[in-house]
Amino acid sequence: SQQGEEDPQALSIQEGENATMNCSYKTSINNLQWYRQNSGRGLVHLILIRSNEREKHSGRLRVTLDTSKKSSSLLITASRAADTASYFCATDITGANSKLTFGKGITLSVRP
Amino acid sequence: EPEVTQTPSHQVTQMGQEVILRCVPISNHLYFYWYRQILGQKVEFLVSFYNNEISEKSEIFDDQFSVERPDGSNFTLKIRSTKLEDSAMYFCASSDIGGRSPLHFGNGTRLTVT
Repeated sequence: SQQGEEDPQALSIQEGENATMNCSYKTSINNLQWYRQNSGRGLVHLILIRSNEREKHSGRLRVTLDTSKKSSSLLITASRAADTASYFCATDITGANSKLTFGKGITLSVRP
Repeated sequence: EPEVTQTPSHQVTQMGQEVILRCVPISNHLYFYWYRQILGQKVEFLVSFYNNEISEKSEIFDDQFSVERPDGSNFTLKIRSTKLEDSAMYFCASSDIGGRSPLHFGNGTRLTVT
């Protein structure tokens, strides 16, 4: 697998349901971040979780990080049609200077 | 809220021509980046820039590419001798403390090489 690989690749749910997206990575990280991208637009930062944190909340978003399994999950509760977008995880790899490495992304469709 | 701005939003060029993509990062940020995204695919790192020099670059960022911060506000990506496979969305981003903080992205420049 690649550094920052999300699954599933695509997810379709009904409005009001919860959406769970997963990310796996290969190497040691300083932090992991989730971003959202609406079609044809730039990426928007959602949440950052540091390597010494296990869970973080922001509004309807909940992120977990398991460094022993090198994985993270993003949960969006009570989804809305406006949550329809692509979601990317990105890792700040230990010793990697300054860049973030992004995964391929998950396409989330929320049906009204 | 401050934002990263990119111009132009869409650039069409012929194969072999040079293009310059422009970005104005957030004013108090110190780290600047270029990423690209070929349609529907992953977001690929090209280069990061700090303290007026390249801090890291990917294998994609070969001699065809260069970056410059010509003044206190602009950050440019130059692509020489464009190829069809350079067609992509190019995103500029900035942050205050590098990868340890969120990156703020512009809305991108869609480059089409014909």
